[in-house]
Amino acid sequence: DQQVKQNSPSLSVQEGRISILNCDYTNSMFDYFLWYKKYPAEGPTFLISISSIKDKNEDGRFTVFLNKSAKHLSLHIVPSQPGDSAVYFCAASSGGGNKLTFGTGTQLKVEL
Amino acid sequence: GAVVSQHPSWVICKSGTSVKIECRSLDFQATTMFWYRQFPKQSLMLMATSNEGSKATYEQGVEKDKFLINHASLTLSTLTVTSAHPEDSSFYICSASGPTDLNTEAFFGQGTRLTVV
Repeated sequence: DQQVKQNSPSLSVQEGRISILNCDYTNSMFDYFLWYKKYPAEGPTFLISISSIKDKNEDGRFTVFLNKSAKHLSLHIVPSQPGDSAVYFCAASSGGGNKLTFGTGTQLKVEL
Repeated sequence: GAVVSQHPSWVICKSGTSVKIECRSLDFQATTMFWYRQFPKQSLMLMATSNEGSKATYEQGVEKDKFLINHASLTLSTLTVTSAHPEDSSFYICSASGPTDLNTEAFFGQGTRLTVV
């Protein structure tokens, strides 16, 4: 039972354009959401997070949007850079803990 | 952010042997550590949660006698894969959080690539 889903396994974007990565969840108990970036054979690196009491959080080029009613969140990267090419995982937790449920990941490729 | 170090970064072992993976929090006290496993092109799956000084809590389907977890100190947790088989070959990652960390990002180690031959 995949409680966190990323339906796009891959995404290709031109440099300078916006990258939009999507994530859906089914567990209504999730109240905290995070995005991680991961390179092969490395651990995930935290990017940005959002609490369920908010609908938007912005940090530099990264913005996360949360639509609780739709159980959907998205990560916007603008402008996209070649160094952003990696696998992006969304993750969710509940009750203030750090036990994370991860999505299946989206491979982002930013092309010149 | 906090630093979590995982060792070794890769290991090759023969079937039937045991392998120990270490996860250390270098600049904070980790009361809770999590062990994940990732198969190629798949998500990170939580295997177990370990709290310092107590027994680990394993997720459904994870054999606790095969994947031994020890969290003896606030800076070190170990995962031992016992009697390893080729199907145990995977990427294992730990993460750590401190005693006052609520709704913060988990800090991850670099991961360990285990290959069982």
